Amino acid sequence: DAKTTQPPSMDCAEGRAANLPCNHSTISGNEYVYWYRQIHSQGPQYIIHGLKNNETNEMASLIITEDRKSSTLILPHATLRDTAVYYCIVRVALSGSARQLTFGSGTQLTVLP
Amino acid sequence: EAGVAQSPRYKIIEKRQSVAFWCNPISGHATLYWYQQILGQGPKLLIQFQNNGVVDDSQLPKDRFSAERLKGVDSTLKIQPAKLEDSAVYLCASSLEGIPTYEQYFGPGTRLTVT
Repeated sequence: DAKTTQPPSMDCAEGRAANLPCNHSTISGNEYVYWYRQIHSQGPQYIIHGLKNNETNEMASLIITEDRKSSTLILPHATLRDTAVYYCIVRVALSGSARQLTFGSGTQLTVLP
Repeated sequence: EAGVAQSPRYKIIEKRQSVAFWCNPISGHATLYWYQQILGQGPKLLIQFQNNGVVDDSQLPKDRFSAERLKGVDSTLKIQPAKLEDSAVYLCASSLEGIPTYEQYFGPGTRLTVT
């Protein structure tokens, strides 16, 4: 699985967009970009995933560069409840027996009032 | 839909004692995982089950850790004897089988403190 690089911490003002970067320069053509987050004292929670195209769901948007070497998770209107550690994970689709996730240290996002 | 259940939520033991954690996955999820999360780090996979069988236990310290999944539903993770470095949060997760999936569903975890 491709290795990812994320900043250890970021701050964001409440109500503003939070943009969390992730570098994955060694990503392979069949590898997806997944984002999970972990709120304090909870288990990780799936946010979004993408392969090539930008993706949006009710939680966030995922922007993947054309060369796929980096991506940005966007929380359009951050709230205090979005304070969490955000993990960017790059790997092939979770199928068959190969379903495990390899987590790095992630980015601690703090949303400030 | 009920989520992944884990118990206990907290456990404090002395080194060399034994401890067991329980996990009940989401109904119908054939794949179950146990992760260890040390403070300040991301979760690390310990063992993965598919139904009753072990798919991957390459990172499980088998001299002291054991896990089982009876009848392909609930699972128990045991540590015997515990060491100080086993202090961590133990997370259980589950996912659907049969199709490519992008989501694992995690329980709240059990925080273990070994003194």
